[in-house]
Amino acid sequence: GAGVSQSPSNKVTEKGKDVELRCDPISGHTALYWYRQSLGQGLEFLIYFQGNSAPDKSGLPSDRFSAERTGGSVSTLTIQRTQQEDSAVYLCASSSLLGVQGEKLFFGSGTQLSVL
Amino acid sequence: LAKTTQPISMDSYEGQEVNITCSHNNIATNDYITWYQQFPSQGPRFIIQGYKTKVTNEVASLFIPADRKSSTLSLPRVSLSDTAVYYCLVGRGFQKLVFGTGTRLLVSP
Repeated sequence: GAGVSQSPSNKVTEKGKDVELRCDPISGHTALYWYRQSLGQGLEFLIYFQGNSAPDKSGLPSDRFSAERTGGSVSTLTIQRTQQEDSAVYLCASSSLLGVQGEKLFFGSGTQLSVL
Repeated sequence: LAKTTQPISMDSYEGQEVNITCSHNNIATNDYITWYQQFPSQGPRFIIQGYKTKVTNEVASLFIPADRKSSTLSLPRVSLSDTAVYYCLVGRGFQKLVFGTGTRLLVSP
């Protein structure tokens, strides 16, 4: 597609349920990032993938959070046993390094997660 | 990882030039400096990127001194639509990229 696609755009769930958030990056982009943004706050790093590997998972808030990427493309962020404090916008970004330069991230519109 | 420090907020009026400075004292040799803009209910959007000296594109300029310990995003003649949060990001490829707290710019008529 033309840009990074995230689904669903909105998700309302009950406390204790599991949720899956999907990110479809720009075709050919090798790096994929997940961030979380609470209302009025900055972006909190969660995890990034280089291909299908996740070199740094240090940002995942707890063991209830997990993420995977398959085929070097689509990524899924799973939150098990959701809690109210998980309510936030979850943003995905992808990038493609061209030679020796800094990364330019392309963000999706995010998934607004609300845990009741 | 280079930590960044920016002003929390700035106010300006339409037609003025706005300069937002970001401090990054522990920037690494291979790090680039990138600025993003975020509007409410949207993901951040790339504005400009640089390594040293000055970079200019159609929407902004980026000034980076020789020591690279800071950078300044310059927005010429801002309009109401430039009201947004601006993030300075320091890093390079194949690593964790951590955003700072950002600067909330409010442009008034």
